[in-house]
Amino acid sequence: DIQVTQSPSSLSASVGDRVTITCRASQRVNTYVHWYQQQPGKAPRLLVYAGSNLESGVPSRFSGSGSGTDFTLTINSLQPEDFATYYCQQTYRAPFAFGQGTKLDI
Amino acid sequence: QVQLVQSGAEVRMPGASVKISCKTSGYTFTSYDINWVRQAPGQGLEWMGWTNPNSNTPGFAQKFQGRLTMTRDTSIRTAYMELTDLRPDDTAVYYCARRRSPDSSSSLFWGQGTQVIVSS
Repeated sequence: DIQVTQSPSSLSASVGDRVTITCRASQRVNTYVHWYQQQPGKAPRLLVYAGSNLESGVPSRFSGSGSGTDFTLTINSLQPEDFATYYCQQTYRAPFAFGQGTKLDI
Repeated sequence: QVQLVQSGAEVRMPGASVKISCKTSGYTFTSYDINWVRQAPGQGLEWMGWTNPNSNTPGFAQKFQGRLTMTRDTSIRTAYMELTDLRPDDTAVYYCARRRSPDSSSSLFWGQGTQVIVSS
C-alpha cells in the first residue's frame, strides 16, 4: 500500500501569515494527490485536486504544488475561516490513503 | 445541484451489522464512483472503499476484507455501505462522497455524515 505522510501534524499561525503543509507519498503517485479542508463537525471540502488545480469557488490564497512523491499546500494571507484541519489524499492506487491531517490553529 | 443525503445515526451492539444509505440527486447516478470514508472520534479521515454505480464493481481497503459490502440501487439513485461484525473501534462518522468528475478521482461532493456508535 502507498503510505502518505503529512507534516506538520499541527501548526499555529496568525491572521495574515503564510503557511505551508507538506505531504509525502511512499511511492511515486504522479499528481494524484488532493487536498481537503475540514471544519469541526463538517464534511471535508475539496480545495485542490490533481496536485495543483484549485477547485472552483476556493479562494486564490490557496495553492497546491508537487508531483511524484512530494506535495505542498500553501495558504497565503491566512483568514479567520482558514483555521481548520487539512488532509491530503493519494488516489494513484487503492487503498486511497489520507494523510494524518494538519490542524491549523491560531 | 448535486446532493448526497445519508441515513441517520445508528447505535449497534458489538458483533452486529450496520447499513448506511447515501441518496443522491442532481447528476447522472451511474456516471460517478462513490467513495466511503470514515472518521473515528478525534481522528483523521480513513478511506474505506469505492463502488462504481454503473458496474457495481467495488474496491476496498484490505483491513475491511470480509466485513464491508458496497451496493447500489440505480432505480432510486442510492448507494449503500454495510459493515458487519462491528467492533467498538468502528465507532465513527461515515461519509459517502462522489468523485469530482468521471476522470478525476478526488471527492468533491460529500454526504452530511452518519454517526455510528458501537457499544454494549
